[in-house]
Amino acid sequence: EIVLTQSPGTLSLSPGERATLSCRASQSVSGTYLAWYQQKPGQAPRLLIYGASSRATGIPDRFSGSGSGTDFTLTISRMEPEDFAVYYCQQYGRSPRTFGQGTKVEIK
Amino acid sequence: QVQLVESGGGLVKPGGSLRLSCAASGFTFSDYYMSWIRQAPGKGLEWVSYISSSGSTIYYADSVKGRFTISRDNAKNSLYLQMNSLRAEDTAVYYCARDRVLEFCSGGSCYTLGWFDPWGQGTLVTVSS
Repeated sequence: EIVLTQSPGTLSLSPGERATLSCRASQSVSGTYLAWYQQKPGQAPRLLIYGASSRATGIPDRFSGSGSGTDFTLTISRMEPEDFAVYYCQQYGRSPRTFGQGTKVEIK
Repeated sequence: QVQLVESGGGLVKPGGSLRLSCAASGFTFSDYYMSWIRQAPGKGLEWVSYISSSGSTIYYADSVKGRFTISRDNAKNSLYLQMNSLRAEDTAVYYCARDRVLEFCSGGSCYTLGWFDPWGQGTLVTVSS
């Protein structure tokens, strides 16, 4: 199965700063078959990005995704207070679908 | 609006059984693949099983194959997960999610896979004596 490795494990930022999260796959996910989710404590994950760079409905444009093959990036251009959460990547280029271990973005 | 509501979680002894349900509303349930995904306490996400819109195609993660059974009732807009021979490592919040699949071929194989949107609020299953 494809192993997704997210880095860093924890990112400490202040509101207004830019966040750059990485997701690296152990083998190609067949192009851009990658999604990003946000999860806040006690809540279900919420889809942010699919197809590596397409924003889901209702997601603010400060969230953007890029990459293909094995290297992907989620960027939050300016952190808002509600953006502090855990972020997961998920590949759907190969079965079984797998998730990264998550990056926690915390308030500095 | 699209809504998924899970139920049926609880405390069960090792070796026991539990049946989870997921009630769907706000969309044409019979048009969509559906999945179960779980999250152990304080841990990451693990896809468990998915079922095609008609119920004719089903896949399981190796960790639950032979013990869990996914099913759906399109007339009732409901998804189910029958969990047998439960183990301590099955302890997790179980989410149902609408599966946004694509059909594609790559590397000589063809797939029907995608992302998950939206997710239900989850139901906690605790396996402990």
